[in-house]
Amino acid sequence: QVHLVESGGDLVKTGGSLRLSCAASGFAFRDYYMSWIRQAPGKGLEWVSYISGSVSTKKYAESVMGRFTISRDNARNTLFLHMDSLRAEDTAVYYCAKGTYYFDSWGQGTLVTVSS
Amino acid sequence: DIVLTQSPGTLSLSPGDRATLSCRTSHSVSSLAWYQQKPGQAPRLLIYATFDRATGIPDRFSGSGSGTDFTLTIARLAPEDFAVYFCQQSVRSPFTFGGGTKVEMK
Repeated sequence: QVHLVESGGDLVKTGGSLRLSCAASGFAFRDYYMSWIRQAPGKGLEWVSYISGSVSTKKYAESVMGRFTISRDNARNTLFLHMDSLRAEDTAVYYCAKGTYYFDSWGQGTLVTVSS
Repeated sequence: DIVLTQSPGTLSLSPGDRATLSCRTSHSVSSLAWYQQKPGQAPRLLIYATFDRATGIPDRFSGSGSGTDFTLTIARLAPEDFAVYFCQQSVRSPFTFGGGTKVEMK
């Protein structure tokens, strides 16, 4: 059974940095693309980034390009999202999800709040 | 970016009713996914590749459509189906979502 657990969400000041983690279990982590998707409070879903199992392919939404970096540690079955230069509009629940074209398993999410 | 427009914004129905949710895309796409989200929970994949039900999804959920017009149908609403539903395209990056349709109990 696929299990994804995010952590690292926090209250951070505008311009600050944060690293999110997602611990995966129940499937062959290294064989799958993984993604980050976020949801601002009371809003819809926004795809943020994905990374291939081999780490050779990464893609970002334009809204985070140059500020966010996705990475993974296949030995530890863990996905990361490093976020720099955070803005108020980055405030959201961040979900990690298995897959890239569609997302068949999701974590419970971790809340990032950016405030001055 | 491909824009996904879902309608209606809210659907007020009773258990046992049929629910028909629409998703229109700004450009033709070859396939679409649908997700269900309940308050305080993560989204759950219902339908992928326009027609295929995800593992464990009851057969009262079905997807259809092509081009720019897609539909999620819930044949007979069960009490646990009252939630928000999102469509999503993955034909072209960024992989955009619709704004959602809330299915509420009348």
